Amino acid sequence: QVQLVESGGGVVQPGRSLRLSCVASGFTFSDSGMHWVRQAPGRGLEWLAVIWYHGNIKYYVDSVKGRFTISRDNSKNTLYLQMNGLRAEDTAVYYCARGQSPSADFDYWGQGTLVSVSS
Amino acid sequence: NFMLTQPHSVSESPGKTITISCTRSSGSIASHYVQWYHQRPGSAPTTVIFENNRRPSGVPDRFSGSIDSSSNSASLTISGLKTEDEADYYCQSYDSNNLYVFGTGTKVTVL
Repeated sequence: QVQLVESGGGVVQPGRSLRLSCVASGFTFSDSGMHWVRQAPGRGLEWLAVIWYHGNIKYYVDSVKGRFTISRDNSKNTLYLQMNGLRAEDTAVYYCARGQSPSADFDYWGQGTLVSVSS
Repeated sequence: NFMLTQPHSVSESPGKTITISCTRSSGSIASHYVQWYHQRPGSAPTTVIFENNRRPSGVPDRFSGSIDSSSNSASLTISGLKTEDEADYYCQSYDSNNLYVFGTGTKVTVL
């Protein structure tokens, strides 16, 4: 069965960096687009970034462009989110999710990993 | 970029029918598929409607989706409301700039 497992969250000071990972299993990872979505405490869902298939096509929401980098290692079935220059407003649960094509829904999600940015 | 606006909350009694709207601020609602997710507290979202009106396997036919070009909006209708339907519901779509947008979210309470 399809599984997505995130890791790498934690408490970090403002301005510091953190890298999240999402290990996928149960499907052909390289055939799928992969997304990062976050949810601040008590708030709605915010899409952050997508990376397609072999990793050469990536798109970001404006609020994280230039600070966050999405990448993937298809040999390890792993998705990453490198987050630099973290701010208090980046505090959220971060989810990875699968999207099999640009118009497809996010059909599988991980359980989420909490990032807390605080001094 | 466009926005998707939903009502903040909807409340109704068990057995009744509710409809949640999702209005697109710019661009045509019909230009790209609308998906709907529900999310219970502490859990990840799951799809209840994809491609405007299709249900994933396992989602009961009490859930239905539609789009209305005249109001530039999508709708999720839940009929025969059950207490287990209590959750937050989000619409989501995509635009030609390869960006994805979630709706503002609607809290459904079953009284």
